[in-house]
Amino acid sequence: NAGVTQTPKFRVLKTGQSMTLLCAQDMNHEYMYWYRQDPGMGLRLIHYSVGEGTTAKGEVPDGYNVSRLKKQNFLLGLESAAPSQTSVYFCASTMRGGNTEAFFGQGTRLTVV
Amino acid sequence: AQSVTQLGSHVSVSEGALVLLRCNYSSSVPPYLFWYVQYPNQGLQLLLKYTSAATLVKGINGFEAEFKKSETSFHLTKPSAHMSDAAEYFCAVSDDTGRRALTFGSGTRLQVQP
Repeated sequence: NAGVTQTPKFRVLKTGQSMTLLCAQDMNHEYMYWYRQDPGMGLRLIHYSVGEGTTAKGEVPDGYNVSRLKKQNFLLGLESAAPSQTSVYFCASTMRGGNTEAFFGQGTRLTVV
Repeated sequence: AQSVTQLGSHVSVSEGALVLLRCNYSSSVPPYLFWYVQYPNQGLQLLLKYTSAATLVKGINGFEAEFKKSETSFHLTKPSAHMSDAAEYFCAVSDDTGRRALTFGSGTRLQVQP
C-alpha cells in the first residue's frame, strides 16, 4: 500500500499565483486533514474532512480552500498565494475511533516569493 | 481547548545516554496522546500512543512513555540513545470532539553526539 501520497513535493510560487495540492490515501479512511508546519510551531490544522463531500475549517484556514469530492482524495487550494503561506504542508488520514493512528504524507514544501 | 507543551526545543545527548523528551498536556477530558517522530525531509511516523490500558506505553525503536495524570505529563524516554535517533519529535493530543484532529506541541529536535 502507498498509504498517503502528496503531490507535488516541492513548489515555488510567485505572490498572487494559485495552486492546488493533492492528497490521496488508499486506506479507505474516513477522516482527512491538512496541516502546515512552521519552525518552532509544530503542525497546525488548516482544514479537515470527516467524510466524502464534507469539509470544515481548522485553526488557520484563512487563504486556503479544500474539497473532498472522492473519499480517497483531499485537495488543498491556494487562490492567491502570499509569502506568509511559505511552509511545509502535510496531509494526514485516519479511521473513525478515539485513539486511532493518523497516517501522514511526505509533505509538500511550498515557497512563495 | 486542548494544548500541548514540549519543554526544550533542542536536546543533545551522547550516544548510549538516556533520552528524555518532555511533554505536558491540557485537556478537559481523558486524552488520547501520541508521540510522532519526523526524520529530515520526511513525514511523521507514529512512535507510540496512549490507549488508557496501561500507563507505561512501549513504542518502536526502544522508546517508551509514561502517562501521569496527576502531572498531566506524557514524557518520552529511551534508555540508550543511538545515532539513528536523531530527529524531531512531536507530542500530540487527539481532539475530544468528532473531528479527531491532532493538536501538536512545538517539537523537540534530538541531537545524538558520538
